[in-house]
Amino acid sequence: DQQVKQNSPSLSVQEGRISILNCDYTNSMFDYFLWYKKYPAEGPTFLISISSIKDKNEDGRFTVFLNKSAKHLSLHIVPSQPGDSAVYFCAATLLRGDMRFGAGTRLTVKP
Amino acid sequence: EAGVAQSPRYKIIEKRQSVAFWCNPISGHATLYWYQQILGQGPKLLIQFQNNGVVDDSQLPKDRFSAERLKGVDSTLKIQPAKLEDSAVYLCASSLEFTAGGEQYFGPGTRLTVT
Repeated sequence: DQQVKQNSPSLSVQEGRISILNCDYTNSMFDYFLWYKKYPAEGPTFLISISSIKDKNEDGRFTVFLNKSAKHLSLHIVPSQPGDSAVYFCAATLLRGDMRFGAGTRLTVKP
Repeated sequence: EAGVAQSPRYKIIEKRQSVAFWCNPISGHATLYWYQQILGQGPKLLIQFQNNGVVDDSQLPKDRFSAERLKGVDSTLKIQPAKLEDSAVYLCASSLEFTAGGEQYFGPGTRLTVT
C-alpha cells in the first residue's frame, strides 16, 4: 500500500529559479510530514517538517506547504542552487513514529 | 557528534546464503530503525526498536529476516536464507525518541546484491 506518493521521478530547474517538489498522501491519520534529501552513497538527511495542524513552515530557502483537504504537500526551494541537486523524499508519520516514504524525486539544478 | 555507523557498506552474496548487517546508532538515541530501500523506491520500515524492545516489526519477513538490539545500543539485521528480491540498500536510522515528527538520523546504508 503506497500511502505516500511522489508522482514526478525527476525535476530539472535553472540555478536561481524556484524548485517545487510535490507529494500526495492517502492516509488522513498522518500527523507529521517531513522532507529528506539524499545524496548518492549517503543516507537520507532531514530537511524540514510540518505538523498536520499547520499549513506552512519555512526554514531559510526551504518552505513546505500542506493542503490537508487535498492531502497534498509541496516543498519550495528558492532560490535553487546546484548543491541542491539530490533525491528528495517526502515522508509522513503516524503517532508512534512509523514513517512512510514516497519513492523520491530527483532534482537537478543546472548552473 | 558521530553519526549512525553501518557496516559493511557493500555485500555480494549468492541466493540461499546468509548475511548480517551491523548498526551503531548515535549515542543516547533510544529508538533504532531498519529500513529496506529497493532501487527506485523509498525506504520501507522493517523493524523499529525502543531501547532493546521491538515496537513494530509488522513489515519484517520473519521467515527469513531477524533483528536484535542487545543492551539497547548496537543492532544487527540478519537475512537467512537470502533471495534475489532481497537486493536493496539496508538503512539504519536512530532518533532520540519515537514521537511523531521526530527527526530520524540515517546511516550511509549497506548495499546488498544477491546473485
